[in-house]
Amino acid sequence: QIQLVESGGGVVQPGRSLRLSCAASGFTFSSYAMHWVRQAPGRGLEWVALISYDGSHKYYADSVKGRFTISRDSSKNTLYLQMYSLRDEDTAMYYCARDGELLTLDYWGPGTLVTVSS
Amino acid sequence: DIQMTQSPSSLSASVGDRVTITCRASQSISSYLNWYQQKPGKAPKVLIYATSNLQSGVPSRFSGSGSGTDFTLTISSLQPEDFATYYCQQSYSTPRTFGQGTKVEIK
Repeated sequence: QIQLVESGGGVVQPGRSLRLSCAASGFTFSSYAMHWVRQAPGRGLEWVALISYDGSHKYYADSVKGRFTISRDSSKNTLYLQMYSLRDEDTAMYYCARDGELLTLDYWGPGTLVTVSS
Repeated sequence: DIQMTQSPSSLSASVGDRVTITCRASQSISSYLNWYQQKPGKAPKVLIYATSNLQSGVPSRFSGSGSGTDFTLTISSLQPEDFATYYCQQSYSTPRTFGQGTKVEIK
């Protein structure tokens, strides 16, 4: 069955970097665009980034543009989110999700928690 | 960027009630509107895509309608497992913005 599993979260100091991974299985990863979505504690969902199926197009929320980089490795069926210059307000659960038919986020991972704190 | 505004932010209802949640886009998004349900500690799951299409496995008591800028999610008869937070999201353009959420609580 289709599975997405995030990893790489943890506690990091402000200004430092962190890389999240999302391992995909159960579908042809190279055929689908992928997203990162985050949720700060007690808050709503915030869309973060999107990468096209072949990695040629990338889109970011204004709040992370210039600090975060989305990428993918189809040989490893893995999605990445490289996060630089982390801020307190980046503290959140980070989810990866598949861009399914008719542009809906149809499968989600369980999330990985990033805490930015000194 | 397209802003998505949901109302109400929260509501209290009883099992069996009919519940309606609205979502308004800051500009026309045609029918590119999805609804998600999220329970505490869990990832969101899609309920409805493209305004009115029920995702496979979602009970028929959920329905969606609307077009342009105004959309509605309706639960025809609220069940105990429906107490959750609901989000709309536009897929018309990037950034793929979400509404702020509507928490459905037990009365």
